[in-house]
Parts: sequence; C-alpha cells; structure tokens
Amino acid sequence: GAVVSQHPSWVICKSGTSVKIECRSLDFQATTMFWYRQFPKQSLMLMATSNEGSKATYEQGVEKDKFLINHASLTLSTLTVTSAHPEDSSFYICSALGRPGSPLHFGNGTRLTVT
Amino acid sequence: EDQVTQSPEALRLQEGESSSLNCSYTVSGLRGLFWYRQDPGKGPEFLFTLYSAGEEKEKERLKATLTKKESFLHITAPKPEDSATYLCAVQDKGSGSGYALNFGKGTSLLVTP
Repeated sequence: GAVVSQHPSWVICKSGTSVKIECRSLDFQATTMFWYRQFPKQSLMLMATSNEGSKATYEQGVEKDKFLINHASLTLSTLTVTSAHPEDSSFYICSALGRPGSPLHFGNGTRLTVT
Repeated sequence: EDQVTQSPEALRLQEGESSSLNCSYTVSGLRGLFWYRQDPGKGPEFLFTLYSAGEEKEKERLKATLTKKESFLHITAPKPEDSATYLCAVQDKGSGSGYALNFGKGTSLLVTP
C-alpha cells in the first residue's frame, strides 16, 4: 500500500528556535500534501494544503509566517515551525494525495515539544 | 457547528461483544466519507471509503455503512487488538480545501479480554 514517511518522529526544541519536519511519499507521486495538527484527545485539524510548485493555502487562524511550508517536489513537503513557543507543542501529521479520489495516506506524525 | 460528530466518545467492550460506532455529518456535497484507525502516537491508518448512501464495505471484523446523514462502523466479535481510536472524516465538495479531510473527534475503543 501507499507509504508516507514523516521525519523526525519526535523533536524537543528550545523556545525561539525553528524546527523542520519532512513528509515524503515513498511509492507514489503526491501533487497535494496536507498538514494537520492534533492536540491531546482532540481531532486532527487541517493547517494547510500544499501543492507541488506553488504556495501553500493556509486555513483560517494558521499563521503562514510561523508555519512555513515548502513542496518542492512530487514526493517531498516540509513544514518549518519558526520561532517556536511552548503553545506550538503538538502532534503534527502530514498526509499525501496521489490520484484524485484515492484515499489520503498519513505519515506517523511528529511529536513536537517546545521547552 | 461541527461538520462531523462521532459517538460515543469512548466505548469499552468485552472481547466478542459486538457494537457500532456512529458518525453524523453535514456537507454541502459529499465527495467521500472515510474511516481511519489511529493507535496512540501514530498517524491514522486507512480503513474504508464510502461514496454514496447505501454503500457498505467490510474488512475482517469491521463493516462500514453509509446513509445521507450518517455512517456506522460495526465491529463484530472484537478482539483486544481492535482497541484504538476510530476516526471518521469527510471530503466536502463545497470545501475550499479540495480533497482535504474534515475529521470528527473520534471514538476511543477499548476491548478487554
């Protein structure tokens, strides 16, 4: 089945630093990738939609200058949390869309802890 | 108003005790309804996609059904390894996010031996 790899699986950083999270589709080309955030015992909340070669589309309330998304190729999207603060601590999950109409496949998430 | 509402929030079953999870949804136009399983600290694992009312899909002890307003995930004779959070999500044709999924809060299932 389709595999989406996310790296790192967990990261601890100090307040004010930046963290980059990678999302790769391993066995298919993903024209669209989605970034979600999940707080404990809450649902996955869509942060942004990333299309290869174009600017990401952010959901209302998500700061585009804080959460930088780059989708440079059909198999790689990155999310950079800039100037991280403790309230950015969360579980970040990416998903990749192959052909339209196919199910979204998810990475295993990145647990970010900002101290 | 939430677009996807799941119930119950948590469910405890004895091994072999069948039950159903509910997912109610409101969309302007349903592109697809999805069921995922999520284990602690992991990303969601795809189970089923349903596209139109009346559709049913099965996989091992799980069966998903769809009406115009809700979907059910039936679990027959569950085993402890079925313990997980089950997520329901919809793709709304009227959404600006295209193929993005809008998730419910999930049902946390615990199956005891």
